[in-house]
Amino acid sequence: GQNIDQPTEMTATEGAIVQINCTYQTSGFNGLFWYQQHAGEAPTFLSYNVLDGLEEKGRFSSFLSRSKGYSYLLLKELQMKDSASYLCAVRDGDYKLSFGAGTTVTVRA
Amino acid sequence: ETGVTQTPRHLVMGMTNKKSLKCEQHLGHNAMYWYKQSAKKPLELMFVYNFKEQTENNSVPSRFSPECPNSSHLFLHLHTLQPEDSALYLCASSQDLAGGPDTQYFGPGTRLTVL
Repeated sequence: GQNIDQPTEMTATEGAIVQINCTYQTSGFNGLFWYQQHAGEAPTFLSYNVLDGLEEKGRFSSFLSRSKGYSYLLLKELQMKDSASYLCAVRDGDYKLSFGAGTTVTVRA
Repeated sequence: ETGVTQTPRHLVMGMTNKKSLKCEQHLGHNAMYWYKQSAKKPLELMFVYNFKEQTENNSVPSRFSPECPNSSHLFLHLHTLQPEDSALYLCASSQDLAGGPDTQYFGPGTRLTVL
């Protein structure tokens, strides 16, 4: 089966940086996604990585190392609205996504 | 707004009730999905439809019965559920089943409580 691991919870201060790690062991690899999910709302797409390296989108960046089975999501200049759950998901070969359990990030003033 | 809507947003039902969850996508997508999200657990894929045809049933108990009358609508019919079926049920859609960077767009979910 697929194994996607990410920390359960993280807390950081407004204006700070937080890095959410995700490690995976899957039978195949066809891309890694990060989603943001606010409480009671839909998961929304943040980023997609399929090649090694860093993808930057404003305050959010995502990194992938396929050889290490590792990704991270970097949130800079944290804002209160960034308090949410962040889901790591791997596409292992076809269209299906295998999800981690999510990391709940709490931003404190 | 992700372009995927779900009703109802909250549902409380007894184990002998029959109810249905509805999902509608306004994105012109061809593939639709049902997921189950339990607290502190990964999203579990339940069913997949592509061009109205079911392509995946992930060993889901028969008390969950999906229906896809067209590419824009997806239903999940529920009957004789168990308390452990209480969870957030998420609907998603994607352009098709090509994989790659094709992103899945999620609805806000139906919070189901089975008494």
